[in-house]
Amino acid sequence: GAGVSQSPRYKVAKRGQDVALRCDPISGHVSLFWYQQALGQGPEFLTYFQNEAQLDKSGLPSDRFFAERPEGSVSTLKIQRTQQEDSAVYLCASSLGGRANQPQHFGDGTRLSIL
Amino acid sequence: GENVEQHPSTLSVQEGDSAVIKCTYSDSASNYFPWYKQELGKRPQLIIDIRSNVGEKKDQRIAVTLNKTAKHFSLHITETQPEDSAVYFCAFNNAGNMLTFGGGTRLMVKP
Repeated sequence: GAGVSQSPRYKVAKRGQDVALRCDPISGHVSLFWYQQALGQGPEFLTYFQNEAQLDKSGLPSDRFFAERPEGSVSTLKIQRTQQEDSAVYLCASSLGGRANQPQHFGDGTRLSIL
Repeated sequence: GENVEQHPSTLSVQEGDSAVIKCTYSDSASNYFPWYKQELGKRPQLIIDIRSNVGEKKDQRIAVTLNKTAKHFSLHITETQPEDSAVYFCAFNNAGNMLTFGGGTRLMVKP
């Protein structure tokens, strides 16, 4: 079936604007993760959902970041009052079950540029 | 937070040679160690993973070894080809299901 799908692929916003990034996980995958990848670095964890429950949001850098997965499938990452340091690639990943030792499959990411 | 060190940061080899990338980690409770390959502008792609109950796993030209006592694991690529050129990331799982990634190794295979 289809892999993890993210939209938009590119997003340019002015500082102070709000943005919303969408993730469509692999069908039937229970777990969904958001990561932030700065240029030249490895992905860094933001938040984790098991079905609709947000079990870990310890990686969200500030209260301007908010994520939801209301029906346990599609997820949205929202960033309010964007700042230049929010510029990065935002990656979504999903895995089949809820255990920590299962493969995570990534989407192509959304490249966010804040002017 | 949990730490992982990945070495080297860049690696240049001649086509046909072997490449080895090593990672060390700090969380003794980790039991899952995947490796991802990321080409420029593309998604991280899972290429191989290993769980803590085995010491080595091989898939064609790619192998991973794990030493839980020393807390390090390595990626081995044999008979490298130009299409192996990419950035490789090691990772391990934390208690909260998330992955912690290394800083990446840029592998360049020269034809």
